[in-house]
Amino acid sequence: QVQLVQSGAEVKKPGASVKVSCKASGYTFTTYDIIWVRQPTGQGLEWMGWMNSNSGSTGYAQKFQGRVTMTRNTSISTAYMELSSLRSDDTAVYYCARGDSNGWPNYWGQGSLVTVSS
Amino acid sequence: SYELTQPPSVSVSPGQTARITCSGDALPKKYAYWYQQKSGQAPVLVICEDSKRPSGIPERFSGSSSGTMATLTISGAQVEDEADYYCYSTDSSYNHWVFGGGTKLTVL
Repeated sequence: QVQLVQSGAEVKKPGASVKVSCKASGYTFTTYDIIWVRQPTGQGLEWMGWMNSNSGSTGYAQKFQGRVTMTRNTSISTAYMELSSLRSDDTAVYYCARGDSNGWPNYWGQGSLVTVSS
Repeated sequence: SYELTQPPSVSVSPGQTARITCSGDALPKKYAYWYQQKSGQAPVLVICEDSKRPSGIPERFSGSSSGTMATLTISGAQVEDEADYYCYSTDSSYNHWVFGGGTKLTVL
């Protein structure tokens, strides 16, 4: 069965960077896109961007342009999302999701809590 | 930027039909997907491509789309359907991918 297992919770100081991993299993990793979504505590879902797991090409939400980088290591079926210049309002649960044949999210990881605090 | 608009809350009694709407200018040409998120859990896809139900999703969940509005219908809502529901879509040129603000469904 399709599984996405994300890295654990992180606490970072303002101005630092965080890198969240998403390890895929149960399917051929390079066949489907990976999408990243975040959710601040008590708030709604926010689309951050997507990555073609085969080519590595990416598309980012304008809000995160210049601060976010999505990469992958196909040899270990793992995707990564790195967010830099962290601020307190970046405190959120970060989710990875696998895209379906249209590239739209269907299977989701369990989420990774990133807390930004001085 | 592009926006999808949902009602903040919907409330029904068990066994009644719950309808959650999502409006967006590009919906006549773009799919709507729907996700269910229970407290403390990751979202789960319940409707894709406007009206298709993924494997394992109960038949009481259905979706439709007409004009600028997509609708998620839960026929005979059950207590376990209490959750936040989010629609998801894109603008006409695939430049902006967005979630609606979410609708809290209460069944009691």
